[in-house]
Amino acid sequence: EDQVTQSPEALRLQEGESSSLNCSYTVSGLRGLFWYRQDPGKGPEFLFTLYSAGEEKEKERLKATLTKKESFLHITAPKPEDSATYLCAVYSGGYQKVTFGIGTKLQVIP
Amino acid sequence: DVKVTQSSRYLVKRTGEKVFLECVQDMDHENMFWYRQDPGLGLRLIYFSYDVKMKEKGDIPEGYSVSREKKERFSLILESASTNQTSMYLCASSVPTGGSSYNSPLHFGNGTRLTVT
Repeated sequence: EDQVTQSPEALRLQEGESSSLNCSYTVSGLRGLFWYRQDPGKGPEFLFTLYSAGEEKEKERLKATLTKKESFLHITAPKPEDSATYLCAVYSGGYQKVTFGIGTKLQVIP
Repeated sequence: DVKVTQSSRYLVKRTGEKVFLECVQDMDHENMFWYRQDPGLGLRLIYFSYDVKMKEKGDIPEGYSVSREKKERFSLILESASTNQTSMYLCASSVPTGGSSYNSPLHFGNGTRLTVT
């Protein structure tokens, strides 16, 4: 059974204080790893897809990286508007059988 | 731009009622999904559909059914609502017609928060 574990559960940063969120996964044949951002009361918003170890993707202050066992979402010089819950999910094939982690709730304080 | 629309943001129903949650996507996507999201449990797949009139059970299908009569519309039905079905329900779609599941992320609606009293 595919498993996704995200850490920490919650993270509080000062504005400008860079940090990383972790997503560890156990899957039989990774076909893709997704990162999503979810604001309160809204659905998850797609950020990145990573396919193979060593791959990196960037978007504004966010950079996602992938190894064979985990993915990191690096946040550089965060701003208060980066506050959200960040979800990691893995896709192992079939009709898009996607397994989600519980998420990391990020709060960036001005 | 990608658009998944769920008909209600908030819904309050009584125990035993039959409840319909509607979802429409305008992206010509083949796959559609229903998830529920609960604190500490994350997103759990209820049902999905990869074609019109086709459906597959997800991880927690008990107490739910679905209907997909048209490509753009996917309905979730609670046959007899119970208090343990109080949750946030999220609809998603993916895979443009002719595309590949391999690189197609899920696109979510903004959810329906259902309360069963």
